[in-house]
Amino acid sequence: AQSVAQPEDQVNVAEGNPLTVKCTYSVSGNPYLFWYVQYPNRGLQFLLKYITGDNLVKGSYGFEAEFNKSQTSFHLKKPSALVSDSALYFCAVRDAGAGSYQLTFGKGTKLSVIP
Amino acid sequence: DTAVSQTPKYLVTQMGNDKSIKCEQNLGHDTMYWYKQDSKKFLKIMFSYNNKELIINETVPNRFSPKSPDKAHLNLHINSLELGDSAVYFCASSQDFASGTDTQYFGPGTRLTVL
Repeated sequence: AQSVAQPEDQVNVAEGNPLTVKCTYSVSGNPYLFWYVQYPNRGLQFLLKYITGDNLVKGSYGFEAEFNKSQTSFHLKKPSALVSDSALYFCAVRDAGAGSYQLTFGKGTKLSVIP
Repeated sequence: DTAVSQTPKYLVTQMGNDKSIKCEQNLGHDTMYWYKQDSKKFLKIMFSYNNKELIINETVPNRFSPKSPDKAHLNLHINSLELGDSAVYFCASSQDFASGTDTQYFGPGTRLTVL
């Protein structure tokens, strides 16, 4: 079975500081990994995904994520946080090895960027 | 030029009523999904259709019935609404679920409140 964990319910960071939102996963085969962002009263917006290749993936709005197979992690990062980055962030996984048709989402991490 | 749209945005109704939520995508995608997001923001897949064929049918009460008249539309009908059905329902679409790597694009959500 595929699963994903976001260990932090909330992350607070000062504007201009680097931010990290953590995600770990569990799959039987190779993972396909995704990050989405949800602003208040909006739908989820795709940020980036890892399928194969370079472990560092760059996405929208200056975000990037690093795939680490040995630590089964896919942490989301940004070098300099903006107040407008404040939102709910979801990590999701699909198990390529299991031929899974569906994404499993983490419970979300609320990011607050403090001016 | 909305990619994935849902109607209505808000739905307030009494227990026991029957209601429908409509979803349309203009991305030319083959696969569509319904998700439920509860009050704790947990996101769970309910159904998925590919080219009008049901491919994911999670453990959902049979009061919920999806219908896909064509591959651009996926509607959700709910019979005998209960208090526990109150949630935000998201529609999503993707190019082709079979690749496993496709990105899902979400609609703005329908907030259902059952009184």
